[in-house]
Amino acid sequence: EAGVTQFPSHSVIEKGQTVTLRCDPISGHDNLYWYRRVMGKEIKFLLHFVKESKQDESGMPNNRFLAERTGGTYSTLKVQPAELEDSGVYFCASSFGRNIAYEQYFGPGTRLTVT
Amino acid sequence: ELKVEQNPLFLSMQEGKNYTIYCNYSTTSDRLYWYRQDPGKSLESLFVLLSNGAVKQEGRLMASLDTKARLSTLHITAAVHDLSATYFCAVDSGNTGKLIFGQGTTLQVKP
Repeated sequence: EAGVTQFPSHSVIEKGQTVTLRCDPISGHDNLYWYRRVMGKEIKFLLHFVKESKQDESGMPNNRFLAERTGGTYSTLKVQPAELEDSGVYFCASSFGRNIAYEQYFGPGTRLTVT
Repeated sequence: ELKVEQNPLFLSMQEGKNYTIYCNYSTTSDRLYWYRQDPGKSLESLFVLLSNGAVKQEGRLMASLDTKARLSTLHITAAVHDLSATYFCAVDSGNTGKLIFGQGTTLQVKP
């Protein structure tokens, strides 16, 4: 069974540009989460989808970040325009079904560097 | 706001030694997770602890949960070099699926 995949693995962009990160969860997982780790700090929650609906987006830092999950399958996280402080590793995770007690499986992450 | 603190943040130890990583959290939760991350890789789930007094063991690692003390421990027995990695604990905030992570403990096992 394929795990959570993320694309790209690494992105380097200039301040002010736009970047879109993609996450493909494990097939059949209704719950999809985005987290990020800014250098030297802890991993922080960004948002949670249940199928195509945003369940909790309390961790989204500001309106430069837009997450979508069309059709309840893959998800995208767009940063527009990117700022220097957006640099970090963005992780996606998924879990099975609507019982949120299920453990979350993480993707390899996308390392975003904003210069 | 739920906070999760790990101690120590960095641990260098000799092979064969035992040590414990501590994870304290600030508000009530009965779902705690331990993950391992190798450099440049994904977070690998190690343990899921869902009740007070839960103890789970896998190889040289053993995790426990005391919800009354709001404390989880990850005990390493007779460490080997392959255990070198960063270990994270995470607590489910309000049992919603939103994980709050500790800072991570970087473990370095020297031969």
